[in-house]
Amino acid sequence: GAVVSQHPSWVICKSGTSVKIECRSLDFQATTMFWYRQFPKQSLMLMATSNEGSKATYEQGVEKDKFLINHASLTLSTLTVTSAHPEDSSFYICSAREQGVTNSPLHFGNGTRLTVT
Amino acid sequence: AQKITQTQPGMFVQEKEAVTLDCTYDTSDPSYGLFWYKQPSSGEMIFLIYQGSYDQQNATEGRYSLNFQKARKSANLVISASQLGDSAMYFCAMREGPTGNTPLVFGKGTRLSVIA
Repeated sequence: GAVVSQHPSWVICKSGTSVKIECRSLDFQATTMFWYRQFPKQSLMLMATSNEGSKATYEQGVEKDKFLINHASLTLSTLTVTSAHPEDSSFYICSAREQGVTNSPLHFGNGTRLTVT
Repeated sequence: AQKITQTQPGMFVQEKEAVTLDCTYDTSDPSYGLFWYKQPSSGEMIFLIYQGSYDQQNATEGRYSLNFQKARKSANLVISASQLGDSAMYFCAMREGPTGNTPLVFGKGTRLSVIA
């Protein structure tokens, strides 16, 4: 089955530093990947849609300069949290859908738990 | 208005019993897809079952079945013969439109606890 790999699984960083999270589709190509954010005991909220070879589309209220998304190839999207602050601490999870597969579900990475101290 | 509503924050079920998790949705798009995911404490999102808006029959996948009532805009998940390993958060989600490049919108989830 389709596998999405996300790295790292968890990261602790100091306030003011930047953190890069990678999301790879291992056995399929994905022109579009989605980045979600999940606070404790809450649902998944869409942050942005990552498009291969073009700019990401951000949801309302998500700062594009803070959450930099790069979708450099058909199998890799990265999310960089710039100048991280404690309020950015959250669970970030990426997802992708297999191209050409009718009614394919979103396949999710295992998520990245970010803690900013 | 919320697109996906899950009214049960938490549910308990006895092992080997069946349980129904409720989900209602709101869309004006005639073409949409409904999904259920399981999220254990580890955080991964596990796809369980899918129902398309034009599907005539209710979807089934092993112990999971989806009770799709289109007129009521509900898509309840039924888990039969509950197991201890079913304890997790369950999210209902919707994709609006026929294309594959639209994201999923999630409900708030239901925490299911299976009791031995």
